[in-house]
Amino acid sequence: DGGITQSPKYLFRKEGQNVTLSCEQNLNHDAMYWYRQDPGQGLRLIYYSQIVNDFQKGDIAEGYSVSREKKESFPLTVTSAQKNPTAFYLCASSTSGSEQYFGPGTRLTVT
Amino acid sequence: AQRVTQPEKLLSVFKGAPVELKCNYSYSGSPELFWYVQYSRQRLQLLLRHISRESIKGFTADLNKGETSFHLKKPFAQEEDSAMYYCALTTSGTYKYIFGTGTRLKVLA
Repeated sequence: DGGITQSPKYLFRKEGQNVTLSCEQNLNHDAMYWYRQDPGQGLRLIYYSQIVNDFQKGDIAEGYSVSREKKESFPLTVTSAQKNPTAFYLCASSTSGSEQYFGPGTRLTVT
Repeated sequence: AQRVTQPEKLLSVFKGAPVELKCNYSYSGSPELFWYVQYSRQRLQLLLRHISRESIKGFTADLNKGETSFHLKKPFAQEEDSAMYYCALTTSGTYKYIFGTGTRLKVLA
């Protein structure tokens, strides 16, 4: 199904390496988001972007970086500065004040 | 500060029993409230939003501005309702959403 896609589904990296998670949407939504989902902590916002070439830090942006060069794409880079990168990462998109549409998620494991 | 509180991490009920998942929020403006659900091995999806005032899969939620609550209710729980439920808040004209920590609902046979 279309909508919003994330790749890969599972990702394994060695500690100290940067890794980029892909997120694409074909919903023509202005806004895109990255969340981190950890057991017992719900969804925590990493970064969001309201428009191309602009993005804002969320609550836990340290150790992460993003870009928004195209409306359809919002990749997330987990850098070596992120102290606890192993997690489930969710991408979402929306229009203003409306519901968010979520991708299937990427499970990142760093060893 | 804007905040969404879901006080229960886990809620277990028997099939056929009523269920209420609590959600309280703190926000000074006019919020838009949502309930999202994540079934096992499925992506997070919208269950309902307060402005639509509709019932989805037998669930309803009423926004109580006086008590700043948006509790999710269903009169008779079914096993397929077992899932993770998140309450979320945003405001019209903005793009930022605040999520609660989620409540796992287990419906026992």
